[in-house]
Amino acid sequence: DAGITQSPRHKVTETGTPVTLRCHQTENHRYMYWYRQDPGHGLRLIHYSYGVKDTDKGEVSDGYSVSRSKTEDFLLTLESATSSQTSVYFCAIRRQWNGNTIYFGEGSWLTVV
Amino acid sequence: DQQVKQNSPSLSVQEGRISILNCDYTNSMFDYFLWYKKYPAEGPTFLISISSIKDKNEDGRFTVFLNKSAKHLSLHIVPSQPGDSAVYFCAATNTGNQFYFGTGTSLTVIP
Repeated sequence: DAGITQSPRHKVTETGTPVTLRCHQTENHRYMYWYRQDPGHGLRLIHYSYGVKDTDKGEVSDGYSVSRSKTEDFLLTLESATSSQTSVYFCAIRRQWNGNTIYFGEGSWLTVV
Repeated sequence: DQQVKQNSPSLSVQEGRISILNCDYTNSMFDYFLWYKKYPAEGPTFLISISSIKDKNEDGRFTVFLNKSAKHLSLHIVPSQPGDSAVYFCAATNTGNQFYFGTGTSLTVIP
C-alpha cells in the first residue's frame, strides 16, 4: 500500500468540459507524479511535482495542467477534455527512503465522449 | 521517441518453466532500472530493481540482469506460476526525477 488515494476512480465526461483528478498521499513525500496508460504506449509521464508549487512537464503534458498547493495533494486538470484523453491515469509517489523507486495508486479511469 | 522499449507484447510459458522478459533502452545516462507488475484494473506494483553498478539482482523467484554495453535488461522468473500472469513494465531513470517506462509485456503462465 503506497498510501495513495485517487479520485474519482471512474468518470465519464463530455468533450470540451473541464475535468480534475485528485491524488492524495498520506506519507508526506516530496515527489508526486501523474502518468497515463494507453495500449501500445505503456505508461507515459504527464507532469510531476518535486514540492509544493514546484512542478515540471513530462513526455505528454499538452492539454494538461497540474497544481500542488499542499504536500499531500497533486491535482491533474484537463482544461477542455478531448477524446484522445480517454485513458487510465495513475498517480505515483517517490518515497524519501527509497529515492529511485516510485509507487503507484490504483488508477482513475476517464472516458471522454 | 521511446527511450525504453519492450519489443515483445506478449509471452506464454508453462507453469514451472522459466519466464524471460526483455527490455532495451537507448539513453546511456540511465543509472537505475526497475520492473513493475500490473494486474487488470489495478495500479502497477514494484517488483525488483537494479542499479547500473550491478549486473544482477535477485529476489526470490525474480532475477534482473543488466547488460550496460548492450543497453539491455531482462527479468527472469523461475519457476513461473499462474499467479505471475500479468503485464510487466520495465522502467529506467537517471536522476530519480523522471521515470521512463516501456510499453509492457503481457505474461501468461499456463497451468
